[in-house]
Amino acid sequence: GAGVSQSPSNKVTEKGKDVELRCDPISGHTALYWYRQSLGQGLEFLIYFQGNSAPDKSGLPSDRFSAERTGGSVSTLTIQRTQQEDSAVYLCASSSGYNSPLHFGNGTRLTVT
Amino acid sequence: AQSVSQHNHHVILSEAASLELGCNYSYGGTVNLFWYVQYPGQHLQLLLKYFSGDPLVKGIKGFEAEFIKSKFSFNLRKPSVQWSDTAEYFCAVNAPSYGNNRLAFGKGNQVVVIP
Repeated sequence: GAGVSQSPSNKVTEKGKDVELRCDPISGHTALYWYRQSLGQGLEFLIYFQGNSAPDKSGLPSDRFSAERTGGSVSTLTIQRTQQEDSAVYLCASSSGYNSPLHFGNGTRLTVT
Repeated sequence: AQSVSQHNHHVILSEAASLELGCNYSYGGTVNLFWYVQYPGQHLQLLLKYFSGDPLVKGIKGFEAEFIKSKFSFNLRKPSVQWSDTAEYFCAVNAPSYGNNRLAFGKGNQVVVIP
């Protein structure tokens, strides 16, 4: 069946521009996560959505980062006024509950020039 | 702050050698523990998980992990590795009993198996 889909797969942007990254989770999955993966830094938690509950935004590195999840399905991660240190692979994952395994997408590789 | 620690970020070993990757976490109380694997060019996938019960859990491809509560550890092992085990391995922890459902990952272990 269909897995977690992320778009675009690659994004190159100029410093100072805004970017939007999209995630389509597996249908029916109530939990959705965003992580950032940088070389040698592992997976850095950004934000977590669970059903209709308020999202856990504790991992967002600055107020330039925001995310929303519309209708409990598709999620968009927005980075405003991008900086070079924002360059990384942004991973989305979904699961059917907190005790269920995460299903990851292939990520969006963001390069800020 | 809650954290997950993985040591020996880069591991190089020969086929048939034994592998052990350490994972320590700083959460108190009840935790759920996971190991994920990322093969070259592929997305992350679950290797094994521990929620409760037998602290020695077995996963796919001959991997196993042991939860030692007193040591706050969940080390991953495989008795005899194969070239196809070349991958990056991530330990992850959450603590839902504390209202913390987010899954925190360690920095990963890059494992290279030489044929």
